[in-house]
Amino acid sequence: DQQVKQNSPSLSVQEGRISILNCDYTNSMFDYFLWYKKYPAEGPTFLISISSIKDKNEDGRFTVFLNKSAKHLSLHIVPSQPGDSAVYFCAASGSSNTGKLIFGQGTTLQVKP
Amino acid sequence: NAGVMQNPRHLVRRRGQEARLRCSPMKGHSHVYWYRQLPEEGLKFMVYLQKENIIDESGMPKERFSAEFPKEGPSILRIQQVVRGDSAAYFCASSYLGDTEAFFGQGTRLTVV
Repeated sequence: DQQVKQNSPSLSVQEGRISILNCDYTNSMFDYFLWYKKYPAEGPTFLISISSIKDKNEDGRFTVFLNKSAKHLSLHIVPSQPGDSAVYFCAASGSSNTGKLIFGQGTTLQVKP
Repeated sequence: NAGVMQNPRHLVRRRGQEARLRCSPMKGHSHVYWYRQLPEEGLKFMVYLQKENIIDESGMPKERFSAEFPKEGPSILRIQQVVRGDSAAYFCASSYLGDTEAFFGQGTRLTVV
C-alpha cells in the first residue's frame, strides 16, 4: 500500500531550465508535506515543506505546490544547476508534530551542463 | 553543532549474527526515528523513540528487531540473527518536539553475507 507515490523514477533537464518533480498521495489525513534531497552514500537533507493549509511555499530556487483536491504536490527548481543532481524524495506526515514520515520511492534528477 | 551521527557507516555481518546500529541525535533533540531503505526503494519508517520510551514501533518487524533510546548514550537499533533480507541502509533522524523537520544521519549500510 504505497500512500505516497513518485511515478517518475528519473528526470533529466538542461542546466538553467526548470525541473519539475511530482508526487501523489492517497491519504487525505496527511497535513504536512516535505521534500528531501539525497546524494549517494549520504542521508536525506531537508529541502522545503508545505502545510496543507497552504498551496504554495517558496524558498530561493525551490517552490513546492500543493493541490489538495488532486492529492498532488510538485517541486519546482528554477534555474536548475548541475549540483542539484540527486535523488529527491517526497514525504508526508499525518501530524505537524512528528518525524514519522511516509516517503515516496524517489526521483533521480540529472541536470546536464 | 554536530549533526546526527550514526556508526558504524558500514557493517558486515554473517547470517545468524547480531547487528547493532548506533545513533546520536543532534544536540538538544530528544526525539529519534529509525528508517530502513531497501535497494531501489524509498525510506520506510520503523520506530519512533523518546528518551527511555518507545512511542511508535508500528514499522518494526515483529521478530528479531528491537530499539532503545536510553537516558544516557545513543539510540541503538538491534537486529538479532540477521538474514540476507536485512541488508539495507538504516537511517536515523532526530527532531525537536513539535518540529516536523527531521534531520537525518548519513546512515549505516548493513550487508549480510
